[in-house]
Amino acid sequence: DAMVIQNPRYQVTQFGKPVTLSCSQTLNHNVMYWYQQKSSQAPKLLFHYYDKDFNNEADTPDNFQSRRPNTSFCFLDIRSPGLGDAAMYLCATSRGQGATYQETQYFGPGTRLLVL
Amino acid sequence: GENVEQHPSTLSVQEGDSAVIKCTYSDSASNYFPWYKQELGKRPQLIIDIRSNVGEKKDQRIAVTLNKTAKHFSLHITETQPEDSAVYFCAASGTGNQFYFGTGTSLTVIP
Repeated sequence: DAMVIQNPRYQVTQFGKPVTLSCSQTLNHNVMYWYQQKSSQAPKLLFHYYDKDFNNEADTPDNFQSRRPNTSFCFLDIRSPGLGDAAMYLCATSRGQGATYQETQYFGPGTRLLVL
Repeated sequence: GENVEQHPSTLSVQEGDSAVIKCTYSDSASNYFPWYKQELGKRPQLIIDIRSNVGEKKDQRIAVTLNKTAKHFSLHITETQPEDSAVYFCAASGTGNQFYFGTGTSLTVIP
């Protein structure tokens, strides 16, 4: 009963070679998040979609982009991966009910990105 | 934006003892505070959460307390077991649907 699915689970890319990570969900949640988590650190929010509205965090590098073609899918594009972008990338979803009431987040299993 | 601080960064307890992890937040508009448990190589799993209109919530061996005035909330685990060993993260969410995480506490329960 996978609810938030991330593919692939492991991704190896070369320095500077664009890479796309994908996330899909069966929960019909309207909010989708992307987090970066480096070893022994907390998940760091990169951006999120509320429906089709994209919300970027102020400190997210321009190298990171996202697309959400429909409710179920969301993609993370890293345009020119550097060695410092090696991390676990976590997708999460929640049911948004406006800007001031938060619902539980459900996380996917993550994609571990290795940059060579 | 919101700033969440978490202490301690590491915690070791004997099996059967209690563990307490504390977090503070900066944004008075934050109104939802989840706690996550993350085992090595796995996704964060929600273990308990609390909203700002409640001061305390309990679920079996786990409880969370919230002090809105002081802007801090705490996780309490009683009768700890070896399987409680993991990294625990607090988080805060308010306006804008963002979630901001604390720095994490690595809990080790010694059998």
